[in-house]
Amino acid sequence: RKEVEQDPGPFNVPEGATVAFNCTYSNSASQSFFWYRQDCRKEPKLLMSVYSSGNEDGRFTAQLNRASQYISLLIRDSKLSDSATYLCVVKVQGAQKLVFGQGTRLTINP
Amino acid sequence: NAGVTQTPKFQVLKTGQSMTLQCAQDMNHEYMSWYRQDPGMGLRLIHYSVGAGITDQGEVPNGYNVSRSTTEDFPLRLLSAAPSQTSVYFCASSYLGQEETQYFGPGTRLLVL
Repeated sequence: RKEVEQDPGPFNVPEGATVAFNCTYSNSASQSFFWYRQDCRKEPKLLMSVYSSGNEDGRFTAQLNRASQYISLLIRDSKLSDSATYLCVVKVQGAQKLVFGQGTRLTINP
Repeated sequence: NAGVTQTPKFQVLKTGQSMTLQCAQDMNHEYMSWYRQDPGMGLRLIHYSVGAGITDQGEVPNGYNVSRSTTEDFPLRLLSAAPSQTSVYFCASSYLGQEETQYFGPGTRLLVL
């Protein structure tokens, strides 16, 4: 079983729609959680951290459910520029490395 | 401030050849790492380093060597290339203790025939 699992998609949604995707993690010692964004044929970039209380950054909302070991990302009022692959990332307590999910591909259609 | 740079951008190798992928950063980051990205597999950690002279293995280290003689440079060596090493390779760096905020280089696309 992969340590971090995501639905690879693709998700195709119309511009302006709200889209959400989840990520599950298997290691209960996972301490920190993040979403990275990767544009086609580009390098990944940190989108946002995920806090226990949930956090929001503009149109993006990230939530963490420790009991069920999943993380979610919600994008409201989606824009064409949101088209990308979204990578779920976990850092295990005491480890100096990140574990990446395979990514969820999102395409926003005009 | 160039950030993280990688060379070459593209490379084609024959099975059995060796080569070095270069990675450099000018942000004075202590932590540097190498990942490979394959379709359906996400990013997998090959090797990482927490400072000059210190390296450690990641999830998929076999067939790769690294060294860290300076803070700035972290080259990845393929000892004897195999078709299974066809992939996109990313180098990343961060401050120690802030590994969640990794800055990635643009990647090297490697094809092994």
